[in-house]
Amino acid sequence: SQQGEEDPQALSIQEGENATMNCSYKTSINNLQWYRQNSGRGLVHLILIRSNEREKHSGRLRVTLDTSKKSSSLLITASRAADTASYFCATEATGNQFYFGTGTSLTVIP
Amino acid sequence: DGGITQSPKYLFRKEGQNVTLSCEQNLNHDAMYWYRQDPGQGLRLIYYSQIVNDFQKGDIAEGYSVSREKKESFPLTVTSAQKNPTAFYLCASSIAGTNYEQYFGPGTRLTVT
Repeated sequence: SQQGEEDPQALSIQEGENATMNCSYKTSINNLQWYRQNSGRGLVHLILIRSNEREKHSGRLRVTLDTSKKSSSLLITASRAADTASYFCATEATGNQFYFGTGTSLTVIP
Repeated sequence: DGGITQSPKYLFRKEGQNVTLSCEQNLNHDAMYWYRQDPGQGLRLIYYSQIVNDFQKGDIAEGYSVSREKKESFPLTVTSAQKNPTAFYLCASSIAGTNYEQYFGPGTRLTVT
């Protein structure tokens, strides 16, 4: 299995601070995606970074990808209480099959 | 509204009974997926389908079955052979091919006693 692992498992920060979470995976990939999950809900796609890209931005989100280290990071800047959720990375290797990591639980304290 | 729906939200069954979870999408996606999520865990792939009348096993297919008779629908049956069926089940869909995001339904929480 090439299931990824997120680090840290849990993160608690004050509103306004930045949150960084990391993802490591095991095999070659076509892309890596980050998803968000509020408690008891489905996942929502945040951002996709292709294997030939190194950095991508979307609003307050910044994602980096280092294929040589098989790792990615997600940075959420100027966090808000509404950012409280679990964040998962997912890798796609062969077409249309995704492997999800174990998730980082983020708590943003108002 | 375009989207993906799952029903019911909560489902309770007695041990030894088969149960079918519904998943419907109107996004015109060819690919559909079923995942299982246990408390504090990531998602594990049960089955996926890239086209009507075809599907493949994921990492944890034992004790589950699926069908894909229509593009819009991908029901999952949890059989009595599944040893630990209590979990949160998530259905997703995407455009077939590489480098597309998945769209998730709201999930079904199955409790078997």
